[in-house]
Amino acid sequence: QQQVKQSPQSLIVQKGGISIINCAYENTAFDYFPWYQQFPGKGPALLIAIRPDVSEKKEGRFTISFNKSAKQFSLHIMDSQPGDSATYFCAAGVAGSGEKLTFGTGTRLTIIP
Amino acid sequence: KAGVTQTPRYLIKTRGQQVTLSCSPISGHRSVSWYQQTPGQGLQFLFEYFSETQRNKGNFPGRFSGRQFSNSRSEMNVSTLELGDSALYLCASSLAAGYTEAFFGQGTRLTVV
Repeated sequence: QQQVKQSPQSLIVQKGGISIINCAYENTAFDYFPWYQQFPGKGPALLIAIRPDVSEKKEGRFTISFNKSAKQFSLHIMDSQPGDSATYFCAAGVAGSGEKLTFGTGTRLTIIP
Repeated sequence: KAGVTQTPRYLIKTRGQQVTLSCSPISGHRSVSWYQQTPGQGLQFLFEYFSETQRNKGNFPGRFSGRQFSNSRSEMNVSTLELGDSALYLCASSLAAGYTEAFFGQGTRLTVV
C-alpha cells in the first residue's frame, strides 16, 4: 500500500535527448509527489514537485507529468546534459502527515556525449 | 542561507558500539526527519521530530532512537551496532510539521566493522 515503484533502474541517454523516468504508486492518499536528484557523495536535492490538482508542471528543462487515474507520474528531462548524470528518486507523501516521504528505488541516469 | 548540516560526515564503528549523529536544520525550519539509505533498501524513513516531539516513526528496531532540542537541532542514536547498520544516514528539514517539502543534508556515512 505504501510502495512507490520506479523504473527504469538505470538509463543511458545521449546528450540533447529526452530522459524519462516513471513512477507508480498505490496509496490514493498520497497528494505530494517530489523528485530528488542525488550526486555521488551528496544528499538528495529537491528538483521539482507536483500535487494531484495539476497534470503537468514544468521548471526549466524538467517536467513532471501526473496521471491521477493511473496512479502514475513521470519525470522528463529535456535536452539532457552530461551534468544531469545522477541518481533520481521519485517520492510520494501525504500533506499533514509530517515528513514521511515514501521513496522509489532510484534511477541511475547517465548522459553520454 | 545555510543548508542542512550533518556531522560527522564519516564514521567507522565496531559492532556492538553505539553512535550518535547530529543534524542542524535550515534556519527557521522546525521539523527534522531522518532516513537511512542503503544500496539494497534505498531510502527508508526512520523518524520525524517537530517541537522536540517524535511525530512519526518508521519500521526500525528500538536500537534506533532520536531526539530534538529546543533549537530544532536533532540527534539520532544507534546502539549495539550491527554490520547491517552500515549506511548513509540522511537528515531532512522542513519548515513545520505536515509540510512535505523536505531539504536533505549531505548525510553521515556510517561504516560498521
